[in-house]
Parts: sequence; C-alpha cells; structure tokens
Amino acid sequence: DAGITQSPRYKITETGRQVTLMCHQTWSHSYMFWYRQDLGHGLRLIYYSAAADITDKGEVPDGYVVSRSKTENFPLTLESATRSQTSVYFCASSDSDYNEQFFGPGTRLTVL
Amino acid sequence: SQQGEEDPQALSIQEGENATMNCSYKTSINNLQWYRQNSGRGLVHLILIRSNEREKHSGRLRVTLDTSKKSSSLLITASRAADTASYFCATGGSYIPTFGRGTSLIVHP
Repeated sequence: DAGITQSPRYKITETGRQVTLMCHQTWSHSYMFWYRQDLGHGLRLIYYSAAADITDKGEVPDGYVVSRSKTENFPLTLESATRSQTSVYFCASSDSDYNEQFFGPGTRLTVL
Repeated sequence: SQQGEEDPQALSIQEGENATMNCSYKTSINNLQWYRQNSGRGLVHLILIRSNEREKHSGRLRVTLDTSKKSSSLLITASRAADTASYFCATGGSYIPTFGRGTSLIVHP
C-alpha cells in the first residue's frame, strides 16, 4: 500500500531500555522527519533526513539516534529510554525541505 | 525560532458559523502551509500558499497571506462538527518547517 506507515502504533517500555520506532514510506520522498508531540509543546522536530545517509538534528535531538540506509526507511532509536520520552511520535516525509509533509499515524510510547 | 505561532489557542463555535484562526511567523518564507489533526491521528495537509500569493481557496477553506505583516489566516466557512480538530501552520523557506502549538477548534452540533 502506498503511503507512510509507522510501527509499532503503541509501545510500553521501561526506563533504560532501548526502543526503536520504525517509519516506512513508499513515495521515494527524499526528506523524512521525526517529531514528538506533547501537551503544551505542539510538534517538535527531533531529527530529519535530506536523503539516504544524510541526517541532521532538529530542535530536541538529545537521547535519540537515527539512521537512513535506505530512502524509504527512517528508524528512530531511543538508546536508553527515560520517562521524559513518553510522548506521541510522528514520522513525516516530503519531496523537499519546504513543501507539504505527509504524516504517518503516530506511535504512542510510554516509558515506565 | 522560525516556527509559526497560531492564535487563538482554542476556539469554540456552533455548527454553521465561520471559524477564523491566525498564524504569525518571524522570517521570510517561500510558502505557508496549514494542517489539520484529528484527535489521535497524524497531521493532514490542507493547503499551501506561496509567498507571492495573497489568497487561496480550497472548498470551504480560505487562506490569506500578508507577508508585510508576516501573518496568515485560515477561514473555515459554514463549519461542521467534523471540522473539530487542531489546526497548525508551518512555514517553508530556507530552513526546515516547524510547527506551533496549534489552534484547537471545537464545532458544536
């Protein structure tokens, strides 16, 4: 199916564990983005990627790691999860850095 | 920060009324985009207006852009209960677009 998907949709983990959130898009968009959404903060950019093997930090990158070995995938890893990383995570893709973005359905992550 | 800032934070209206929300930004832009987010869902792109455009329509949506004031407005005419959602603006330019906190719109049937 064409589009952008995220997995898992829901995840509960414990403090200190490593967690990887997956994002996959079928449009061959060059740009991909990771956001977190928290009450009172809106959407905040964590990392973005302009192409395979090119990634850059956003507004709140601490505690997160990304990679992009293939154009269609952009996984986000929390190397040692903390309670403050409890949030809803959205992945998005775009054909440029300033055109419309297409969002995935989100992953709700709870860190206990 | 380059982010758009939406105003008001919350808006409550009756079905059939018009809803207007505003967005202000700080630097020059190539375009400005409006998105909608229904509860528990990802954002959905509504409309993009380029910096050389002043007004754009899409169905019941009307967007205006005033680059001299660095502001934009989104008007939803004849609102429906299904328009209940959060609305975000994002500006596109020589930087990665960032989103504000959004306007939460509630349309009462």
